[in-house]
Amino acid sequence: DVKVTQSSRYLVKRTGEKVFLECVQDMDHENMFWYRQDPGLGLRLIYFSYDVKMKEKGDIPEGYSVSREKKERFSLILESASTNQTSMYLCASSQHTNPNTEAFFGQGTRLTVV
Amino acid sequence: AQSVTQLGSHVSVSEGALVLLRCNYSSSVPPYLFWYVQYPNQGLQLLLKYTSAATLVKGINGFEAEFKKSETSFHLTKPSAHMSDAAEYFCAVSERGGSYIPTFGRGTSLIVHP
Repeated sequence: DVKVTQSSRYLVKRTGEKVFLECVQDMDHENMFWYRQDPGLGLRLIYFSYDVKMKEKGDIPEGYSVSREKKERFSLILESASTNQTSMYLCASSQHTNPNTEAFFGQGTRLTVV
Repeated sequence: AQSVTQLGSHVSVSEGALVLLRCNYSSSVPPYLFWYVQYPNQGLQLLLKYTSAATLVKGINGFEAEFKKSETSFHLTKPSAHMSDAAEYFCAVSERGGSYIPTFGRGTSLIVHP
């Protein structure tokens, strides 16, 4: 069974903390994505990566960075967490060369910043 | 750039009634279109996708969608709603600016009344 695994389902962090959200996929996918989901706004792309050590900004990269040292792992970093980063974070992966294949999602991490 | 618009942030139906969730796309070329479902506190999973092999696409759990080029639509339907269909539904395209980046509509929350 193919899988995208996010390291935490729920996280509570304090304002100003550095936060790491980890995502691992076992499908040998080239593409990996981080989205943020907020009510009424749908899924907004934060960053994506189409290869190891490659990263591209999405629509809302401010306050975030990413790391992809290995093909299967894509980490999202909140440099200094703020309350407006309280949200659901979703990681996904897909094949790089076929636009007709779907994205596979992790279970999501619900982050609360207090 | 390709995009999708979902009409109606909430749709409410009675159990056994027809489900219709609307999605319109914006593209100058035939897009790669998808419907995903998200159950509470879960990630997204694929319901169905348009492959251009057929305009009527059947998916899981009795859902289907019809691709209508003349209307630039890809509406999702199910003849008879079940309580277990209550979830968030997202229409998506897989290409943006020449990159294979899943791009989502804002989502439609389906509410099923007994």
